[in-house]
Amino acid sequence: AQSVTQLGSHVSVSEGALVLLRCNYSSSVPPYLFWYVQYPNQGLQLLLKYTSAATLVKGINGFEAEFKKSETSFHLTKPSAHMSDAAEYFCAVSLTGGGNKLTFGTGTQLKVEL
Amino acid sequence: KAGVTQTPRYLIKTRGQQVTLSCSPISGHRSVSWYQQTPGQGLQFLFEYFSETQRNKGNFPGRFSGRQFSNSRSEMNVSTLELGDSALYLCASSPGLAGEDYEQYFGPGTRLTVT
Repeated sequence: AQSVTQLGSHVSVSEGALVLLRCNYSSSVPPYLFWYVQYPNQGLQLLLKYTSAATLVKGINGFEAEFKKSETSFHLTKPSAHMSDAAEYFCAVSLTGGGNKLTFGTGTQLKVEL
Repeated sequence: KAGVTQTPRYLIKTRGQQVTLSCSPISGHRSVSWYQQTPGQGLQFLFEYFSETQRNKGNFPGRFSGRQFSNSRSEMNVSTLELGDSALYLCASSPGLAGEDYEQYFGPGTRLTVT
């Protein structure tokens, strides 16, 4: 069975600083990996996805993530945080051939301070 | 193209009642999945439908059920509501089954409160 671990339920950064949100997965087969963002009282918006093409994936709003098989990681980064990035971020995994079921991490609340 | 729509957006029910939530996927999408989001358990997969067939089911009691219609719209039903069923229920649609072009698009959710 696959699982996802997000280290740090709350992360606080200063505006303009690097954003790093950590995600590790466990899967017996190569997975598909995703990062979603959720703003208050809204659904989930896809930021980026890894589906076995390039290991460095660029997403929307300046976010990117790198798939590292040796470390079973898929950390999300953004060079310069903006106030509008404050939200909850979820890492998710889906097994190839596993249909559309997503297994989510517990989420990381990102706070951006002036 | 319109996004995933869910109705109603907010719902208050009493313990023991039943509830039906509706999801209209993006036009042309044939797969609909449902998730429950709670502060304690996080985001949990409920079930997935593709072309009117349930293809996958999460670890939820039989009180939770769903169906998909020929136009890909989906409903989920919860019978004999319990306080613990209070949650945000999210629907997601995708064009087909998982693959290289796989993406799921989420609706805004239905906030269910059970009193």
